[in-house]
Amino acid sequence: GDSVTQMEGPVTLSEEAFLTINCTYTATGYPSLFWYVQYPGEGLQLLLKATKADDKGSNKGFEATYRKETTSFHLEKGSVQVSDSAVYFCALKGGGATNKLIFGTGTLLAVQP
Amino acid sequence: DAGVIQSPRHEVTEMGQEVTLRCKPISGHNSLFWYRQTMMRGLELLIYFNNNVPIDDSGMPEDRFSAKMPNASFSTLKIQPSEPRDSAVYFCASSLVSANTGELFFGEGSRLTVL
Repeated sequence: GDSVTQMEGPVTLSEEAFLTINCTYTATGYPSLFWYVQYPGEGLQLLLKATKADDKGSNKGFEATYRKETTSFHLEKGSVQVSDSAVYFCALKGGGATNKLIFGTGTLLAVQP
Repeated sequence: DAGVIQSPRHEVTEMGQEVTLRCKPISGHNSLFWYRQTMMRGLELLIYFNNNVPIDDSGMPEDRFSAKMPNASFSTLKIQPSEPRDSAVYFCASSLVSANTGELFFGEGSRLTVL
């Protein structure tokens, strides 16, 4: 079945450091890919998405490129802030008329001042 | 606009007791999802509904779990009897089926502790 694998955390960085969180997927067909973010005490919210190969999703300084050849969708940010501290989830949506998402296990990011 | 509303936010109960979690989706949304989050297993889809009809309940752990959606603005997730291993944060999310964008709107979750 479809699945998402993302790097384990926690990831601890200093402010202004470069961030990469790895995500790979297994899916039949051509899934859409997502990054969701969960701030402390809150529900998840959509950060960015890409719906086809080579698409780049971006939002709030975060970027991720849909790489079909490596089945990857790594999240990057050039300069993290303390306010980026959160849990980040990679997810995929298969084809068909459904919004059902398969999530990775989440990666905790802690940014220190 | 109000987002997805879940209640209770926190529930502490004893093993064997019945637990009912409630969710009010965003008005106009016709797809509703129940997820469970634990440290060990991450975020797991339990069940989802389209237009109040259960579509996929393959993630429901066992017969102790049941979910209903009697109308478009309300859903419940019930655990009877509860066990300590059910301790988790339970999230409800809603979306528009027709949008087909993969964007889910999550509530703040219900944290369940079973002693």
